[in-house]
Amino acid sequence: KAGVTQTPRYLIKTRGQQVTLSCSPISGHRSVSWYQQTPGQGLQFLFEYFSETQRNKGNFPGRFSGRQFSNSRSEMNVSTLELGDSALYLCASSPPATGPYGYTFGSGTRLTVV
Amino acid sequence: AQSVTQPDIHITVSEGASLELRCNYSYGATPYLFWYVQSPGQGLQLLLKYFSGDTLVQGIKGFEAEFKRSQSSFNLRKPSVHWSDAAEYFCAVGSNSGNTPLVFGKGTRLSVIA
Repeated sequence: KAGVTQTPRYLIKTRGQQVTLSCSPISGHRSVSWYQQTPGQGLQFLFEYFSETQRNKGNFPGRFSGRQFSNSRSEMNVSTLELGDSALYLCASSPPATGPYGYTFGSGTRLTVV
Repeated sequence: AQSVTQPDIHITVSEGASLELRCNYSYGATPYLFWYVQSPGQGLQLLLKYFSGDTLVQGIKGFEAEFKRSQSSFNLRKPSVHWSDAAEYFCAVGSNSGNTPLVFGKGTRLSVIA
C-alpha cells in the first residue's frame, strides 16, 4: 500500500517568488492536512481539506492557500515568499471518520527561501 | 485552547538504558493524546495514542505511555533504548469533539550513545 507522497522533496526559491507543493494521499483517504515545521515554532497547522472543501484553517496569512482535487490529491501554494517561509512542509492524510486521529504523514517538502 | 509542553529539548541516553520523555498538556476536557517519532529527513510516524480506557498504552517499537489526568501528563517510556531510537519525538493533543487538528509540542531530540 503506497504511503503519502509529497513532491518535490526539496525546493529552493527566491524571496518574492511563489511555490506550489503537492501531496498525494493514501488511496481511500479523503482528508489531507498540511503542517509547517520549523525549528523555532515546531509543527504548526496550516489547513485541512476534506472532499475538496477546506474544513479547518490555521493562523497563517493569506499568502498560504491550498486546494484539493476530486482524486483527493492536494496542493498548497505560498505566494510572495519570505525568508521566514523556509521550513519543512508536511502533509498528512487520514481515512474517513478518523479525522486527524488517523494521520499518516508524508516525508515532507523542504523549502528553502533565499 | 489546547497546548502541549515537552520540557526537555534534548536528551542523551546510553544504549540499553531506560528512557522517559515528558509531555504535559493543557485541555479542558478529556484529551486524545499521541506520540510521534521523526527520523532525520522523514515525516512523522505514530508510536501510540490514547483515547480512553486503560491509562497505560502500548505502542510500536517497544514504547509505552501513561496518561495521568491529575498531572496532565502523558509521558513516553521505553525500558531499554536502542541506537536506532535516536530521533525526534513529538507529543500531540487532539479534541474529542470533532475534526479539530492536532496540536503538537515542540519536540524532544533523543541522542543515544554507546
